[in-house]
Amino acid sequence: DSGVTQTPKHLITATGQRVTLRCSPRSGDLSVYWYQQSLDQGLQFLIQYYNGEERAKGNILERFSAQQFPDLHSELNLSSLELGDSALYFCASSSGLAYRTDTQYFGPGTRLTVL
Amino acid sequence: GESVGLHLPTLSVQEGDNSIINCAYSNSASDYFIWYKQESGKGPQFIIDIRSNMDKRQGQRVTVLLNKTVKHLSLQIAATQPGDSAVYFCAENTSGTYKYIFGTGTRLKVLA
Repeated sequence: DSGVTQTPKHLITATGQRVTLRCSPRSGDLSVYWYQQSLDQGLQFLIQYYNGEERAKGNILERFSAQQFPDLHSELNLSSLELGDSALYFCASSSGLAYRTDTQYFGPGTRLTVL
Repeated sequence: GESVGLHLPTLSVQEGDNSIINCAYSNSASDYFIWYKQESGKGPQFIIDIRSNMDKRQGQRVTVLLNKTVKHLSLQIAATQPGDSAVYFCAENTSGTYKYIFGTGTRLKVLA
């Protein structure tokens, strides 16, 4: 158990809908990362937050957005869903401190199926 | 552009044999590398890491080798067990940046 929690574990929805995925980082970690993993694909970095502020952005679509709250949990919002958005979405957390090894620890993921 | 890649998508080994999983990276500025293990239906799990000031690091049954000259990283698993069956990812990072680049993964199958 990495200490990172994600809910829900599974999500089935229809095209055009909007969903919210939730992540709670490990105790003490200030940074949260979101990744998308499609079938037979590697992890695609979406976005990173550090202590409530966006720190880095990857290949995140405009239909997707995220935020990190004062209690450090994070939510990833996916809107106008398309079939191609079906994937595993992982959250990872790290200390966020660049002066030392900043290993990312991953949650169990949310499997999103868009029908 | 930057990339981290794995040469073999699937590696099959006999139980008890040693496994070697390879990874190539292209960013010579990368100075921190991690190997992750991802079992079916689970998130990636940290296995071992190495910084660029080292060329070898050992853990429990695992060894990571780093060859900066040819920008190559490998993960060696000793006495491979059925529980080692998973997809293994390498990832690279550059100090001072917050972006990790992950390879596509190698599936390790352990044959009984």
